[in-house]
Amino acid sequence: GQQVMQIPQYQHVQEGEDFTTYCNSSTTLSNIQWYKQRPGGHPVFLIQLVKSGEVKKQKRLTFQFGEAKKNSSLHITATQTTDVGTYFCAGPPSNGGSNYKLTFGKGTLLTVNP
Amino acid sequence: SQTIHQWPATLVQPVGSPLSLECTVEGTSNPNLYWYRQAAGRGLQLLFYSVGIGQISSEVPQNLSASRPQDRQFILSSKKLLLSDSGFYLCAWEGGLAGGHSYNEQFFGPGTRLTVL
Repeated sequence: GQQVMQIPQYQHVQEGEDFTTYCNSSTTLSNIQWYKQRPGGHPVFLIQLVKSGEVKKQKRLTFQFGEAKKNSSLHITATQTTDVGTYFCAGPPSNGGSNYKLTFGKGTLLTVNP
Repeated sequence: SQTIHQWPATLVQPVGSPLSLECTVEGTSNPNLYWYRQAAGRGLQLLFYSVGIGQISSEVPQNLSASRPQDRQFILSSKKLLLSDSGFYLCAWEGGLAGGHSYNEQFFGPGTRLTVL
């Protein structure tokens, strides 16, 4: 079945440093979604990318979808303590079948030292 | 606006006891509904999903079951809990498209933290 891998599993940075997490799927994705889960909270949708090579920005966050639609990245510029949490990527396969479900990566836990 | 409710927020149950977790969605109709489990604060494991009343798809064989008695109500149950059932249970909804496929974002409820002792 489809697998979505994320690296790194953990990342600890000093406040102000940049952070990047990478997501790779074993199959082509119709779209890629990113979620953030604060400690003790529930996942919250951040963004969805649909087009091959698409890049979207949300303030200090930059999201990219690979040309082959099998990988994605999230880059945070100048991290702040409010960025702490686990970042998940998720996507449905593009090859039909049971298309109502997302496969989530295991997430990258970001901690920020003030 | 749409809201999703889950209860209870926390639950401590003995091994072998039954379980019933409820999830309700407001402000939308015919949503796709999902139950996930998150162990040790990490990855999300899809347990069940439903595209309509009475329609349940199971992703992982286990001692859990799900039901959707109403359009916006999703229930997760177990007749006898195991220690391995401990975790953070999350319900989510997704907009869906009538008669088609939708890959819209999923909105998660606040979750239920279940500890089985």
